[in-house]
Amino acid sequence: GENVEQHPSTLSVQEGDSAVIKCTYSDSASNYFPWYKQELGKRPQLIIDIRSNVGEKKDQRIAVTLNKTAKHFSLHITETQPEDSAVYFCAEGAKNNNDMRFGAGTRLTVKP
Amino acid sequence: DAGITQSPRHKVTETGTPVTLRCHQTENHRYMYWYRQDPGHGLRLIHYSYGVKDTDKGEVSDGYSVSRSKTEDFLLTLESATSSQTSVYFCAISEGQDNEKLFFGSGTQLSVL
Repeated sequence: GENVEQHPSTLSVQEGDSAVIKCTYSDSASNYFPWYKQELGKRPQLIIDIRSNVGEKKDQRIAVTLNKTAKHFSLHITETQPEDSAVYFCAEGAKNNNDMRFGAGTRLTVKP
Repeated sequence: DAGITQSPRHKVTETGTPVTLRCHQTENHRYMYWYRQDPGHGLRLIHYSYGVKDTDKGEVSDGYSVSRSKTEDFLLTLESATSSQTSVYFCAISEGQDNEKLFFGSGTQLSVL
């Protein structure tokens, strides 16, 4: 993989609102796109992932969409809750994914 | 829990000293990874291993070496620590096919003074 850009770097929403985080990649060979959540002082944890043969994947309140033509993918969190507050990282991988590249992270704050 | 532990959890050392971080896993995963995490950079791959004595470089391998003499242990060594190596270091294993679904250890906070 090559560099992946992640926006925004910080995001503040009101509880119950939706949050969207977007990542852009440049390597057309990338075929795997995971999202990780990291709470303060904890390890990053995988929350959802998508492969390039799928355009969208949902898991309860979170979803990921992929636009291969435009080379971007997004994380959508609906009905946000205070416990969604964390730093979220996107990543992209190609070939056998040993060189998976991570975005710089988005700090999401959900205000009660 | 993928049975992955890192040691030490915290370490403070001086510039120029050697440092070794250990990653131990109990579930016989073939692939193991070392990442460093710095503000504004996300997670960057240092080295990875695809089996005993089989390792390869990642994006930021300069100044680091690794060894894997047993399936369960993956060691990261800073031969001569520098202040730029102050960081949080995460070990990871892959729980999925094709090296997907990374599971990270709890991390080691390393400070080089």
